[in-house]
Amino acid sequence: KAGVTQTPRYLIKTRGQQVTLSCSPISGHRSVSWYQQTPGQGLQFLFEYFSETQRNKGNFPGRFSGRQFSNSRSEMNVSTLELGDSALYLCASSLQGGSVYGYTFGSGTRLTVV
Amino acid sequence: DQQVKQNSPSLSVQEGRISILNCDYTNSMFDYFLWYKKYPAEGPTFLISISSIKDKNEDGRFTVFLNKSAKHLSLHIVPSQPGDSAVYFCAAQNNNDMRFGAGTRLTVKP
Repeated sequence: KAGVTQTPRYLIKTRGQQVTLSCSPISGHRSVSWYQQTPGQGLQFLFEYFSETQRNKGNFPGRFSGRQFSNSRSEMNVSTLELGDSALYLCASSLQGGSVYGYTFGSGTRLTVV
Repeated sequence: DQQVKQNSPSLSVQEGRISILNCDYTNSMFDYFLWYKKYPAEGPTFLISISSIKDKNEDGRFTVFLNKSAKHLSLHIVPSQPGDSAVYFCAAQNNNDMRFGAGTRLTVKP
């Protein structure tokens, strides 16, 4: 079965712009979580969506938002980009969230803000 | 707040020896713990997990130990192989909330 697909793989944006990242979960998975990975900070939780509803949220400013569609695909939006937003953004899917086998991750979107 | 901590950013071991990666957590509500392995340019992949009702789980060369009283878990890799060189993240989970540590870069030298 297809894995978790994130698009685009790489993105370069200018400070102040906004960006939308996309994540297609494994077929049948209803939970999608987003993480930001930066050197030294590891994986920081952004938010989790389940059945089109945000179920959990991490400690990120309101510039970071997301949504989930009826087909479980999810998008993450970052507005008014800052240089510090440069990072690898990973999404992960699971059947219901909290799976005992954890989550399946996509390969990520590398965002560079210049 | 950093609820899950991996205090060693890097670890280097010789091939064939044991690798021990450590992880501490602060939230006693976490009831499931996982280790993920990440290669460059790829997403993390699930490695091994342990429930809070156990203190050890073994899968081949990988063993995870959990010390609930100390809020500490560790991953042992025996014997270590060069292909194990990667970044290892520990994660702690409570219901639908999963938090990760900062990761430890393991280098296994031939």
